[in-house]
Amino acid sequence: DVKVTQSSRYLVKRTGEKVFLECVQDMDHENMFWYRQDPGLGLRLIYFSYDVKMKEKGDIPEGYSVSREKKERFSLILESASTNQTSMYLCASNSIGDSYEQYFGPGTRLTVT
Amino acid sequence: AQSVAQPEDQVNVAEGNPLTVKCTYSVSGNPYLFWYVQYPNRGLQFLLKYITGDNLVKGSYGFEAEFNKSQTSFHLKKPSALVSDSALYFCAVRDLRNDMRFGAGTRLTVKP
Repeated sequence: DVKVTQSSRYLVKRTGEKVFLECVQDMDHENMFWYRQDPGLGLRLIYFSYDVKMKEKGDIPEGYSVSREKKERFSLILESASTNQTSMYLCASNSIGDSYEQYFGPGTRLTVT
Repeated sequence: AQSVAQPEDQVNVAEGNPLTVKCTYSVSGNPYLFWYVQYPNRGLQFLLKYITGDNLVKGSYGFEAEFNKSQTSFHLKKPSALVSDSALYFCAVRDLRNDMRFGAGTRLTVKP
C-alpha cells in the first residue's frame, strides 16, 4: 500500500513564525501536491511538483513556498505565518501513468495565533 | 479549466436506505472523475474513478458511481447505507496539468 506521511498531525504557531510542513511518500511517485482544506471550500491546490527541484504554482500560492530536494519528500513552507493560514493542510502524491488517483497523507491541522 | 460541483452541502439518509451524493462536472475533452471520502481528522481515501469504459463504476465499501455524459454528472450511490458511511465526500476531476480539482464536499449523515 502507498503510504504518505506528514510530519505533524497538529501544529500551533504564532503570527510571523516560519513554519515547515513535511511530507514523505514511499512509492517512488513522481508527482506530489500540497492542498489546504477549509470548510465549504473543499481542497485548494497550493503547489505541486512533478520532479525533484521542479514546482508549479497552484490556485493559492501566495504566502507559501515549497521545496523538493529528494523525490520522496515535499515540504511546504509558510514564510511568515498569518492567522488566515489557519487550516488543514493535506499532502498527496501520484504517479505518471494511467491510474491518476492521488494518495493522501493524514493531514496537518495548523493553528496560527 | 476543469471543474466539478457538488450541489448539496449535506445529505441525510436512514440506515438501510439507498444513498446518492451528487456531482456535476465541466470539462474540455474526456473527463477523468474521482470520488474520495474523508473520515473525521483523517486524510482523503480514494473510493472509485471513471476514466473510460462502463458508465457504472464500482468502488470500495460497496459504493458505485454512474457516469452520465448527457447530464455531465457523476453521482455516487450505495444501495443500502450504513451508519459507518457517515463522512465527508469529495468529487474530483483531473485537470490539464495532472493536478486535481475538487468539489466543496458533501457531508453525509446516516442515522440509525
